[in-house]
Amino acid sequence: DIQVTQSPSSLLASLGERVTITCQTSQSISNNLNWYQQKPGQAPMLLIYYATSLQTGMPSRFSGQYSGRSFTLTITSLEPEDIANYFCLQHYSAPHTFGSGTKLEIK
Amino acid sequence: EVQLVESGGGLVQPGRSMKLSCAASGFTFSNYGMAWVRQAPTKGLEWVATISYDGSSTYYRDSVKGRFTISRDNAKSTLYLQMNSLRSEDTATYYCTRGTAHYWGQGVMVTVSS
Repeated sequence: DIQVTQSPSSLLASLGERVTITCQTSQSISNNLNWYQQKPGQAPMLLIYYATSLQTGMPSRFSGQYSGRSFTLTITSLEPEDIANYFCLQHYSAPHTFGSGTKLEIK
Repeated sequence: EVQLVESGGGLVQPGRSMKLSCAASGFTFSNYGMAWVRQAPTKGLEWVATISYDGSSTYYRDSVKGRFTISRDNAKSTLYLQMNSLRSEDTATYYCTRGTAHYWGQGVMVTVSS
């Protein structure tokens, strides 16, 4: 199975701050990685697909990049509504595997 | 608008069975592979099972192989998950997802406990 290591597990940030979350995969998956946002009591919502493509309707302050086996989700300027859990999913090979999640909170 | 609505969850005793359903609308169901993903309380997410667009191919994570069966009825635009020999570690919210999890249902809770 492909392992996905996500960091940090939690993050305290200020409104307006730039935030970066990383997923590292145990083997190359090309760009087959999605990023999700999940708020308490809600289903996950797709933010970024194929590593860099912004899902329709999602704010442009969210972006994704990758280099080799390292993938990053960036929020350019943190807004109050961005407080949530974030996680990644590799869908290159079965079993598809998720990162362990990052809990983003306001400082 | 894509909608995925799960049903069939609840409390079940260990060793018993339960069948989840997911009613899809807002897209051509028969064109997409579908999957079930679960999230145990305060835990991370696990990919449980996948089925191809026509039902000819399925995939299961090791811990549910031989116990769970994913199926679909394209005429009814409905996805199913038959869960047998349930264990306490199967307790989770189960989500129905489309394709590579671009869309998710609201989830249904399954609690396995005596």
